[in-house]
Amino acid sequence: DQQVKQNSPSLSVQEGRISILNCDYTNSMFDYFLWYKKYPAEGPTFLISISSIKDKNEDGRFTVFLNKSAKHLSLHIVPSQPGDSAVYFCAATSQGGNTPLVFGKGTRLSVIA
Amino acid sequence: GAGVSQSPSNKVTEKGKDVELRCDPISGHTALYWYRQRLGQGLEFLIYFQGNSAPDKSGLPSDRFSAERTGESVSTLTIQRTQQEDSAVYLCASSSHGGMNTEAFFGQGTRLTVV
Repeated sequence: DQQVKQNSPSLSVQEGRISILNCDYTNSMFDYFLWYKKYPAEGPTFLISISSIKDKNEDGRFTVFLNKSAKHLSLHIVPSQPGDSAVYFCAATSQGGNTPLVFGKGTRLSVIA
Repeated sequence: GAGVSQSPSNKVTEKGKDVELRCDPISGHTALYWYRQRLGQGLEFLIYFQGNSAPDKSGLPSDRFSAERTGESVSTLTIQRTQQEDSAVYLCASSSHGGMNTEAFFGQGTRLTVV
């Protein structure tokens, strides 16, 4: 029973265009959401997060949107760069972050020059 | 150290043998997590240590898996009588307090192959 779902295993985007990575969750107790980025042979690195009290958080080229009623969040990268090519994991936690992160299966983003 | 360090980076073992994986978290980080990633899968939670509290072992898949942590430093994950389905990348992460709503830092992982 997957609580965090990333239904697109892969995504290809041209350099300069917008990348949109989607994530759905089923547990209504989740109150904090994070995106991690992973390059091959490296551990995941934190990218951006959002609290359930917000619907948007922006950091440079990266913006995360949260739609609580739909239990859906998305990560927008604009403009996309070849160095953004990686696997992106959506993760969620509850109780203000005091429960272990539950991860999705990841989406492999390829940004084509 | 500057980041979370895991050793070994790669381990090949025969089915039935025991293995021990090590994690050195960032100094001062009170929370430490073990996850694993099987091929084509997401990160699967295994165990969580927070300070002196009893660890959250709810993710350990079987009693062949155990983990220890010495104070707020090194942690070891032990897998006894390894099976082929244990093959995965085992990732350790640490954060400065109990919540992962602050940035958690992952190590590079240990790739375990059971043959």
